[in-house]
Amino acid sequence: DGGITQSPKYLFRKEGQNVTLSCEQNLNHDAMYWYRQDPGQGLRLIYYSQIVNDFQKGDIAEGYSVSREKKESFPLTVTSAQKNPTAFYLCASRNRGRNSPLHFGNGTRLTVT
Amino acid sequence: AQKITQTQPGMFVQEKEAVTLDCTYDTSDPSYGLFWYKQPSSGEMIFLIYQGSYDQQNATEGRYSLNFQKARKSANLVISASQLGDSAMYFCAMREVTVQGGSEKLVFGKGTKLTVNP
Repeated sequence: DGGITQSPKYLFRKEGQNVTLSCEQNLNHDAMYWYRQDPGQGLRLIYYSQIVNDFQKGDIAEGYSVSREKKESFPLTVTSAQKNPTAFYLCASRNRGRNSPLHFGNGTRLTVT
Repeated sequence: AQKITQTQPGMFVQEKEAVTLDCTYDTSDPSYGLFWYKQPSSGEMIFLIYQGSYDQQNATEGRYSLNFQKARKSANLVISASQLGDSAMYFCAMREVTVQGGSEKLVFGKGTKLTVNP
Protein backbone atom coordinates (compact mmCIF):
# COMPACT_ATOMS: atom_id res chain seq x y z
CA ASP A 1 0.00 0.00 0.00
CA GLY A 2 1.21 3.50 -0.82
CA GLY A 3 1.57 5.92 2.02
CA ILE A 4 3.72 8.05 4.27
CA THR A 5 5.72 6.58 7.11
CA GLN A 6 6.87 8.64 10.03
CA SER A 7 9.09 7.17 12.66
CA PRO A 8 9.23 6.87 15.53
CA LYS A 9 5.72 7.48 16.85
CA TYR A 10 7.01 8.77 20.19
CA LEU A 11 10.40 10.39 20.76
CA PHE A 12 11.95 11.63 23.97
CA ARG A 13 15.04 13.81 24.15
CA LYS A 14 16.93 15.88 26.65
CA GLU A 15 17.12 19.62 26.20
CA GLY A 16 20.14 20.69 24.17
CA GLN A 17 20.17 17.65 21.89
CA ASN A 18 19.41 17.71 18.19
CA VAL A 19 16.90 15.14 17.01
CA THR A 20 15.91 13.98 13.52
CA LEU A 21 12.39 12.91 12.60
CA SER A 22 12.04 10.53 9.70
CA CYS A 23 9.52 10.85 6.86
CA GLU A 24 9.35 8.46 3.91
CA GLN A 25 6.72 8.30 1.16
CA ASN A 26 6.14 5.82 -1.66
CA LEU A 27 3.36 7.78 -3.36
CA ASN A 28 5.73 9.23 -5.96
CA HIS A 29 4.73 12.75 -4.89
CA ASP A 30 7.01 15.63 -5.75
CA ALA A 31 6.01 17.91 -2.88
CA MET A 32 6.58 17.19 0.81
CA TYR A 33 5.76 19.21 3.90
CA TRP A 34 6.42 19.35 7.64
CA TYR A 35 3.81 20.74 10.02
CA ARG A 36 3.88 21.27 13.74
CA GLN A 37 0.73 20.92 15.82
CA ASP A 38 0.25 22.36 19.30
CA PRO A 39 -3.02 22.32 21.28
CA GLY A 40 -5.30 25.14 20.13
CA GLN A 41 -2.87 26.24 17.39
CA GLY A 42 -3.90 24.12 14.47
CA LEU A 43 -1.18 23.06 12.02
CA ARG A 44 1.70 25.41 11.31
CA LEU A 45 4.05 24.94 8.37
CA ILE A 46 7.73 24.45 9.19
CA TYR A 47 9.37 23.60 5.84
CA TYR A 48 8.27 22.33 2.46
CA SER A 49 9.90 21.01 -0.66
CA GLN A 50 8.55 20.95 -4.21
CA ILE A 51 11.42 18.98 -5.77
CA VAL A 52 14.57 17.11 -4.81
CA ASN A 53 17.44 19.27 -3.54
CA ASP A 54 15.17 22.28 -3.03
CA PHE A 55 13.11 23.40 -0.03
CA GLN A 56 11.54 26.55 1.38
CA LYS A 57 10.96 27.88 4.86
CA GLY A 58 7.43 27.88 6.16
CA ASP A 59 5.96 30.10 8.83
CA ILE A 60 7.93 28.73 11.79
CA ALA A 61 11.27 27.49 10.39
CA GLU A 62 13.51 28.88 13.13
CA GLY A 63 15.29 26.13 15.04
CA TYR A 64 14.56 23.49 12.38
CA SER A 65 16.44 22.16 9.36
CA VAL A 66 15.55 19.76 6.54
CA SER A 67 17.12 17.99 3.59
CA ARG A 68 15.65 16.55 0.40
CA GLU A 69 18.28 14.33 -1.16
CA LYS A 70 15.78 11.78 -2.43
CA LYS A 71 12.24 12.16 -3.70
CA GLU A 72 10.97 9.66 -1.14
CA SER A 73 12.56 11.15 1.94
CA PHE A 74 12.23 14.48 3.78
CA PRO A 75 13.80 14.27 7.27
CA LEU A 76 13.32 17.08 9.77
CA THR A 77 15.97 17.97 12.35
CA VAL A 78 14.86 19.75 15.48
CA THR A 79 17.92 21.61 16.70
CA SER A 80 18.80 22.80 20.18
CA ALA A 81 17.99 26.33 18.95
CA GLN A 82 14.28 25.51 18.85
CA LYS A 83 12.94 27.04 22.07
CA ASN A 84 9.79 24.97 22.47
CA PRO A 85 10.36 21.70 20.60
CA THR A 86 7.78 19.58 22.44
CA ALA A 87 4.94 19.10 19.95
CA PHE A 88 3.23 16.74 17.51
CA TYR A 89 4.97 16.74 14.11
CA LEU A 90 3.17 15.78 10.93
CA CYS A 91 4.77 15.04 7.59
CA ALA A 92 2.73 15.22 4.39
CA SER A 93 3.11 14.89 0.66
CA ARG A 94 1.07 16.07 -2.27
CA ASN A 95 0.67 15.37 -5.94
CA ARG A 96 0.65 18.09 -8.57
CA GLY A 97 -2.75 19.57 -9.33
CA ARG A 98 -4.99 22.21 -7.82
CA ASN A 99 -7.36 19.78 -6.20
CA SER A 100 -4.70 17.45 -4.84
CA PRO A 101 -5.01 17.05 -1.08
CA LEU A 102 -2.19 16.56 1.36
CA HIS A 103 -1.56 12.95 2.38
CA PHE A 104 -0.34 12.77 5.96
CA GLY A 105 1.77 10.37 7.96
CA ASN A 106 0.62 9.32 11.42
CA GLY A 107 2.84 11.83 13.14
CA THR A 108 5.67 11.84 15.67
CA ARG A 109 5.09 13.12 19.17
CA LEU A 110 8.32 14.69 20.41
CA THR A 111 8.86 15.39 24.09
CA VAL A 112 11.92 17.35 25.20
CA THR A 113 12.69 17.63 28.91
CA ALA B 1 -3.26 38.32 9.28
CA GLN B 2 -5.05 35.04 9.73
CA LYS B 3 -5.99 33.56 6.38
CA ILE B 4 -8.23 30.77 7.58
CA THR B 5 -10.61 31.42 10.47
CA GLN B 6 -12.57 28.78 12.30
CA THR B 7 -14.58 30.63 14.94
CA GLN B 8 -16.00 27.60 16.76
CA PRO B 9 -13.43 26.04 19.12
CA GLY B 10 -15.99 23.37 20.06
CA MET B 11 -19.33 22.14 18.79
CA PHE B 12 -21.82 19.61 20.12
CA VAL B 13 -24.42 17.71 18.11
CA GLN B 14 -26.86 14.91 18.83
CA GLU B 15 -26.40 11.66 16.98
CA LYS B 16 -28.32 11.55 13.66
CA GLU B 17 -28.63 15.33 13.47
CA ALA B 18 -26.82 17.59 10.98
CA VAL B 19 -24.08 20.02 12.01
CA THR B 20 -22.33 22.91 10.28
CA LEU B 21 -18.71 23.80 10.97
CA ASP B 22 -17.74 27.31 9.96
CA CYS B 23 -14.72 28.37 7.93
CA THR B 24 -13.93 31.80 6.48
CA TYR B 25 -10.87 32.62 4.44
CA ASP B 26 -8.97 35.59 3.14
CA THR B 27 -7.20 35.66 -0.21
CA SER B 28 -6.73 37.97 -3.17
CA ASP B 29 -5.83 35.11 -5.50
CA PRO B 30 -8.74 34.38 -7.87
CA SER B 31 -7.68 30.74 -8.11
CA TYR B 32 -7.66 28.91 -4.79
CA GLY B 33 -8.78 25.69 -3.24
CA LEU B 34 -10.32 24.81 0.09
CA PHE B 35 -9.91 21.50 1.90
CA TRP B 36 -11.45 19.98 5.00
CA TYR B 37 -9.68 17.41 7.16
CA LYS B 38 -10.78 15.28 10.11
CA GLN B 39 -8.38 14.41 12.93
CA PRO B 40 -9.58 11.74 15.37
CA SER B 41 -7.95 11.40 18.78
CA SER B 42 -5.46 8.96 17.24
CA GLY B 43 -3.85 11.92 15.47
CA GLU B 44 -4.10 10.88 11.83
CA MET B 45 -5.30 13.51 9.35
CA ILE B 46 -8.09 12.32 7.06
CA PHE B 47 -8.97 14.28 3.92
CA LEU B 48 -12.74 14.80 3.62
CA ILE B 49 -13.65 17.18 0.81
CA TYR B 50 -12.33 19.77 -1.63
CA GLN B 51 -13.83 22.90 -3.18
CA GLY B 52 -12.16 24.85 -5.98
CA SER B 53 -12.79 28.56 -6.37
CA TYR B 54 -14.04 28.08 -9.93
CA ASP B 55 -16.27 25.11 -9.16
CA GLN B 56 -19.87 25.89 -10.04
CA GLN B 57 -21.41 23.35 -7.72
CA ASN B 58 -20.92 22.90 -3.98
CA ALA B 59 -18.77 19.86 -3.30
CA THR B 60 -20.34 16.75 -1.77
CA GLU B 61 -18.80 13.48 -0.55
CA GLY B 62 -21.20 11.08 1.09
CA ARG B 63 -22.45 12.68 4.32
CA TYR B 64 -20.12 15.66 3.87
CA SER B 65 -21.01 18.72 1.85
CA LEU B 66 -19.58 22.18 1.50
CA ASN B 67 -21.68 25.31 1.76
CA PHE B 68 -19.46 27.50 -0.42
CA GLN B 69 -20.34 31.19 -0.47
CA LYS B 70 -17.67 32.88 -2.53
CA ALA B 71 -18.81 36.47 -2.01
CA ARG B 72 -18.75 35.93 1.75
CA LYS B 73 -15.47 34.01 1.54
CA SER B 74 -16.88 31.16 3.53
CA ALA B 75 -16.66 27.40 3.03
CA ASN B 76 -18.65 25.74 5.79
CA LEU B 77 -18.62 21.98 6.20
CA VAL B 78 -21.99 20.30 6.68
CA ILE B 79 -22.10 16.82 8.17
CA SER B 80 -25.47 15.14 7.82
CA ALA B 81 -26.81 12.36 10.03
CA SER B 82 -23.99 12.64 12.59
CA GLN B 83 -22.47 9.45 13.95
CA LEU B 84 -20.52 8.84 17.16
CA GLY B 85 -17.45 8.22 15.03
CA ASP B 86 -17.63 11.77 13.71
CA SER B 87 -16.33 13.06 17.06
CA ALA B 88 -12.96 14.58 16.17
CA MET B 89 -11.11 17.79 15.36
CA TYR B 90 -11.99 19.30 12.00
CA PHE B 91 -9.63 21.57 10.10
CA CYS B 92 -10.27 23.86 7.18
CA ALA B 93 -7.30 24.58 4.91
CA MET B 94 -6.62 26.75 1.87
CA ARG B 95 -4.17 26.14 -0.95
CA GLU B 96 -1.88 29.12 -1.33
CA VAL B 97 0.59 29.81 -4.13
CA THR B 98 3.72 31.60 -2.97
CA VAL B 99 4.98 34.66 -4.81
CA GLN B 100 8.49 33.25 -5.15
CA GLY B 101 8.72 30.30 -7.47
CA GLY B 102 5.03 29.48 -7.56
CA SER B 103 5.29 26.91 -4.78
CA GLU B 104 2.05 25.64 -3.36
CA LYS B 105 1.30 25.13 0.31
CA LEU B 106 -1.74 24.55 2.46
CA VAL B 107 -2.57 26.95 5.28
CA PHE B 108 -4.71 25.59 8.10
CA GLY B 109 -7.22 27.06 10.51
CA LYS B 110 -7.06 26.31 14.23
CA GLY B 111 -9.76 23.71 14.06
CA THR B 112 -13.12 22.89 15.62
CA LYS B 113 -13.59 20.06 18.07
CA LEU B 114 -16.84 18.25 17.31
CA THR B 115 -18.48 16.05 19.91
CA VAL B 116 -21.37 13.82 18.88
CA ASN B 117 -23.64 12.89 21.78
CA PRO B 118 -25.64 9.65 21.82
